[in-house]
Amino acid sequence: GAGVSQSPRYKVAKRGQDVALRCDPISGHVSLFWYQQALGQGPEFLTYFQNEAQLDKSGLPSDRFFAERPEGSVSTLKIQRTQQEDSAVYLCASSLHKGAGNTIYFGEGSWLTVV
Amino acid sequence: KQEVTQIPAALSVPEGENLVLNCSFTDSAIYNLQWFRQDPGKGLTSLLLIQSSQREQTSGRLNASLDKSSGRSTLYIAASQPGDSATYLCAARATSGTYKYIFGTGTRLKVLA
Repeated sequence: GAGVSQSPRYKVAKRGQDVALRCDPISGHVSLFWYQQALGQGPEFLTYFQNEAQLDKSGLPSDRFFAERPEGSVSTLKIQRTQQEDSAVYLCASSLHKGAGNTIYFGEGSWLTVV
Repeated sequence: KQEVTQIPAALSVPEGENLVLNCSFTDSAIYNLQWFRQDPGKGLTSLLLIQSSQREQTSGRLNASLDKSSGRSTLYIAASQPGDSATYLCAARATSGTYKYIFGTGTRLKVLA
């Protein structure tokens, strides 16, 4: 596709429910990032993939958060037993080359509200 | 630990004015710095990427500078237009051992027609 695509765009989950957020990066992009953005704040790093390898997951806030990119393209961020503090926009980004020394392209985000 | 600060948090200017947005970072050992634009309800769009070896980058009416020794970057917008209204974020990447960008909280810019 022309850009990074994320789905769903909006998700309302009941507290305790599991959610899965999908990211389709730009075709051929090696690097993929997940960020979490709370209202009025800058994005906070969650995790980084280089192809299918998850090289950095230091930003995942708890073991309820899990991300995968099994074939090195589409990625899924899964949140188990959602809590109200998980309410945020989850942004996916990709870049053509390894690391983060290149322009990164963001999707429009998945807006998660936990009620 | 790298921290990125942006001042001011919000700014309103009349159309046509030249303006400067500021970004400060605490660890001068950065790999590069990017400036992004974010429109309400949208993702981020990369505006300019400055590598650590560069002093500035220009794109159209935008010019970004980088001074690693002082831990500062500025985004200069010339002849501002109402369409420039958005939140502008800067993000720094450390030199090694990490792939993450550390973002500031942004400057909300409103250009008045």
